[in-house]
Amino acid sequence: AQSVAQPEDQVNVAEGNPLTVKCTYSVSGNPYLFWYVQYPNRGLQFLLKYITGDNLVKGSYGFEAEFNKSQTSFHLKKPSALVSDSALYFCAVRAFYGGSQGNLIFGKGTKLSVKP
Amino acid sequence: NAGVTQTPKFRILKIGQSMTLQCTQDMNHNYMYWYRQDPGMGLKLIYYSVGAGITDKGEVPNGYNVSRSTTEDFPLRLELAAPSQTSVYFCASSYSGTGEAFFGQGTRLTVV
Repeated sequence: AQSVAQPEDQVNVAEGNPLTVKCTYSVSGNPYLFWYVQYPNRGLQFLLKYITGDNLVKGSYGFEAEFNKSQTSFHLKKPSALVSDSALYFCAVRAFYGGSQGNLIFGKGTKLSVKP
Repeated sequence: NAGVTQTPKFRILKIGQSMTLQCTQDMNHNYMYWYRQDPGMGLKLIYYSVGAGITDKGEVPNGYNVSRSTTEDFPLRLELAAPSQTSVYFCASSYSGTGEAFFGQGTRLTVV
C-alpha cells in the first residue's frame, strides 16, 4: 500500500530564514512525488514534482525539493522564506509498479507560518 | 482558460437528501479525481477515472457514486446525505499519471 507522512503539523519560520517542510513516503514501486500549496478557501496549486532524473527539483515561487531514495523522503525547501509563503502544504505520491499505477495519495498537510 | 470548474461553491443539505456535485474541465485531461478534505486529515480520494466510461473507487467511496460519460465531466452523486459527509470536496484532473493535478476551487458541503 502507498502512504505519505508529513510529520509536522505546523512549521514556524522567520522571514528571510530558510524553510524546510518534511515528507516521507512508502510505496511498493517507483514513486512519483508532488508538492502542492493551498491558500485559505482555495483549491490546491501545484508547486513541483519528481518523476525521474536529478534528485533536486526546482519549482514555482523559489521552492525546491530533494528526492532521497534511501531515506524515502521528499522534503520541500526554500532558501529565504517570505510572509506570503504562509499556507498549507501537501505532499503527494503516486506509485508505478509493473504496468500498473496507484492512486494519487496526499499527506495530511503542514501549515507553514512565516513571521515578519 | 477555465481549468477545473466546480459547482456549487456552497451547499447545505438535510439528512437523507441527495445532490450532485458538478465538475468539468476544459484541458482535455484523461484523469479526473474527487477528494474530500477534512480538517487535519488531508485529502482522501473518493473516486477517480482514467478516461470516459471508466471509474474506480478510491479510499473512501461509501455513500458516493460517480459517472464519466464524457472526457470533460465527472459528477459526484450523494444519494442519502449523512452528517459524516460534511466536508470540503475537491475535483481535480491531470493529463496522465505522471502529470500534475489541477484542482477546482472546492465545494463546501454541510449536512444538518
